[in-house]
Amino acid sequence: QKEVEQNSGPLSVPEGAIASLNCTYSDRGSQSFFWYRQYSGKSPELIMSIYSNGDKEDGRFTAQLNKASQYVSLLIRDSQPSDSATYLCAVKTGGSYIPTFGRGTSLIVHP
Amino acid sequence: DVKVTQSSRYLVKRTGEKVFLECVQDMDHENMFWYRQDPGLGLRLIYFSYDVKMKEKGDIPEGYSVSREKKERFSLILESASTNQTSMYLCASSPLGQGGETQYFGPGTRLLVL
Repeated sequence: QKEVEQNSGPLSVPEGAIASLNCTYSDRGSQSFFWYRQYSGKSPELIMSIYSNGDKEDGRFTAQLNKASQYVSLLIRDSQPSDSATYLCAVKTGGSYIPTFGRGTSLIVHP
Repeated sequence: DVKVTQSSRYLVKRTGEKVFLECVQDMDHENMFWYRQDPGLGLRLIYFSYDVKMKEKGDIPEGYSVSREKKERFSLILESASTNQTSMYLCASSPLGQGGETQYFGPGTRLLVL
């Protein structure tokens, strides 16, 4: 059984701070990793994907992957109230069509 | 821009009714998926399809069926709606590839079964 674990939160951070969201996975064959953002009542939208160990930066977002320790994280710099949402981690093994989703972490950025 | 559309944003049905949820994507994606999302349970895969007329059961197929007669369209059918099928239904699509492809989600249909 492939598992993707996330702390449900809520994670509360002040505006301007760095928010750190973590995700661990059980399948060592996992090769593709995705972070989605989901606002309340809306559908998930992709923020970032990462495939190799290390950091990947896109604007205020940085994804970090450590395959040896089986975790992937998302850092949000200069957090804004508009970043308040649930963040879903998704993991795929090579050649699979179907990602395994975590249950998401709720992030609250307060002014 | 990838566009995945769903036929209804909100739907109210009676117990025992047959319910059709339709999903259309405009990016020529081979793979299409139906999920339901419930508080505390996350996204759960109902069915997916990797080609026209092909379908595979996901984690919770009971009480549902699907139809994919055309590449761009994937329908979810609740044969006899029950109150425990009240949920948010999300359709997604992704291209065929080596496994690193992103899923793109539709806006979702919030279904209430009375």
